[in-house]
Amino acid sequence: GAVVSQHPSWVICKSGTSVKIECRSLDFQATTMFWYRQFPKQSLMLMATSNEGSKATYEQGVEKDKFLINHASLTLSTLTVTSAHPEDSSFYICSAQRRGGSYEQYFGPGTRLTVT
Amino acid sequence: SQQGEEDPQALSIQEGENATMNCSYKTSINNLQWYRQNSGRGLVHLILIRSNEREKHSGRLRVTLDTSKKSSSLLITASRAADTASYFCATVRNSGNTPLVFGKGTRLSVIA
Repeated sequence: GAVVSQHPSWVICKSGTSVKIECRSLDFQATTMFWYRQFPKQSLMLMATSNEGSKATYEQGVEKDKFLINHASLTLSTLTVTSAHPEDSSFYICSAQRRGGSYEQYFGPGTRLTVT
Repeated sequence: SQQGEEDPQALSIQEGENATMNCSYKTSINNLQWYRQNSGRGLVHLILIRSNEREKHSGRLRVTLDTSKKSSSLLITASRAADTASYFCATVRNSGNTPLVFGKGTRLSVIA
């Protein structure tokens, strides 16, 4: 158990358009989901913490109006990159923490975003 | 922000040798976790060690934690070519729903 999926796995979009990335916990309920960004050959940087039914908490330097996060249910969180620019090209990874479970986070397979 | 540093940044060894990666962190923690990432893929959780534990084993993996030095090490014994990946340590500062703070990672190459 504890499978997290992301959709799409990769996406190419034109500069100025918006892209939505979904993160789903398939076999458990997740009250908290986290969104990370990873540039090539670098580590994961936390972008925001998403709690079901409340507003996301963004890390310093992450524009909340550009990276819209919606955690509408206990199994789904979405990240929308609005007005994407080439510098937003990155690997976006979500993780989910099981409701009432241990500290372990379960990671999705990631979404590769390329903005042309 | 990142919690700390992994050492070395890159490591290349022959198959069958042991690989040791170190991680240092800056703040007090509740637990420390090690993850593996194959190139361009998601993360795989390897092992979690709590702040009151000093050593933990899982298969060919051995993790140590020294909270006085704020450091941890990951040892992979009898390495295989399939162990080639990036390895990250990540810390959890408090109990509850707090995010992982990742180190910079070590890129391990195991040559057959």
